[in-house]
Amino acid sequence: EPEVTQTPSHQVTQMGQEVILRCVPISNHLYFYWYRQILGQKVEFLVSFYNNEISEKSEIFDDQFSVERPDGSNFTLKIRSTKLEDSAMYFCASSEEWTVNQPQHFGDGTRLSIL
Amino acid sequence: AQKITQTQPGMFVQEKEAVTLDCTYDTSDQSYGLFWYKQPSSGEMIFLIYQGSYDEQNATEGRYSLNFQKARKSANLVISASQLGDSAMYFCAMRAQGAQKLVFGQGTRLTINP
Repeated sequence: EPEVTQTPSHQVTQMGQEVILRCVPISNHLYFYWYRQILGQKVEFLVSFYNNEISEKSEIFDDQFSVERPDGSNFTLKIRSTKLEDSAMYFCASSEEWTVNQPQHFGDGTRLSIL
Repeated sequence: AQKITQTQPGMFVQEKEAVTLDCTYDTSDQSYGLFWYKQPSSGEMIFLIYQGSYDEQNATEGRYSLNFQKARKSANLVISASQLGDSAMYFCAMRAQGAQKLVFGQGTRLTINP
């Protein structure tokens, strides 16, 4: 069964550094998402992406964050000037369509630790 | 705005018993979808089951079924014949028509005892 792939599985970064989290969505999916989950808390939406544009973003997704689809398969989340509170599990997800009945399929996540 | 409430932070169940995980939601939208995800200790998020707001029948997927009571705004997950591998965190989530984001509840940690 096709799956969303995320790399790396764990990233350790010094505070203030930039980090790029990578994702390969399911190949025939057109809608891509990033979520984060701070340890012990619920999953929070960051951003959705379609047709090379951000289609929806949360208040968490400020100028520190950016997303990009650099080629036909990868989807990245860049976090500039990382802060301690950016430590979390970051999930990439994709869906085939935008309709409300389409499940979003998640990757295994990247655990980001900011020191 | 949408809100999901899961009132059971933890549940302990004997193997082979059925278990119901509670989920209530709040929305003013008429069209929406409700989803359940499983998160094992390894961390991945696994999609389990979906229920649409206009679906007249409760969704079922193998041992998972959804007890959807629209008037009460509840969408409880029922796991029949629980197995040790069902031990995990379970999240209820909602997506409203016109929105792309999933809104998640706080989750319920299910532990299956042998």
